[in-house]
Amino acid sequence: DQQVKQNSPSLSVQEGRISILNCDYTNSMFDYFLWYKKYPAEGPTFLISISSIKDKNEDGRFTVFLNKSAKHLSLHIVPSQPGDSAVYFCAASGGSNDYKLSFGAGTTVTVRA
Amino acid sequence: ETGVTQTPRHLVMGMTNKKSLKCEQHLGHNAMYWYKQSAKKPLELMFVYSLEERVENNSVPSRFSPECPNSSHLFLHLHTLQPEDSALYLCASSQNLAGGSYEQYFGPGTRLTVT
Repeated sequence: DQQVKQNSPSLSVQEGRISILNCDYTNSMFDYFLWYKKYPAEGPTFLISISSIKDKNEDGRFTVFLNKSAKHLSLHIVPSQPGDSAVYFCAASGGSNDYKLSFGAGTTVTVRA
Repeated sequence: ETGVTQTPRHLVMGMTNKKSLKCEQHLGHNAMYWYKQSAKKPLELMFVYSLEERVENNSVPSRFSPECPNSSHLFLHLHTLQPEDSALYLCASSQNLAGGSYEQYFGPGTRLTVT
């Protein structure tokens, strides 16, 4: 049973424009959410996270929004750059004693020059 | 070496072979993880170790056998695998198992093909 879903397997965006990646979850116990970025032949690297006590977290060009009532989060990348072309994974965990991360299947972002 | 390293990066093995995957973390972390990523599927947690003690075996078949001799090294021993076990196997580590940071640091993975 997949508890974290990324329904868009791919996204193509022009350089300089905004990339919006979406993620939905089903487990209401999740209270911490992370985005990871993965380049080919490399492991995923942590990008940005958000706790359920917040609805927005910003780090440079990356902003994550959380809508708990809708069990939905999104990652905005503004402006998109060619180096942002990668696979982005959404992940979630629940409770301070929950070390398990539930991952989505990923969204492949391609930034066109 | 820095971060999390994995060897080999690619492995092709027959169903009757025995092989091992190696992971080493250079971050001073106390927890280590094995994940499996099949094509177009989410990462699946396989095993979790904290301070060299296994704390999670996520219903993984016995043909996969983990070993954690110390907090820096993690192995995954493979024997009599099936073609459906072909996948990318990722190792990760984190400072501690629970509480505080949830950030896990991943290695580059081993691409395994079972023929």
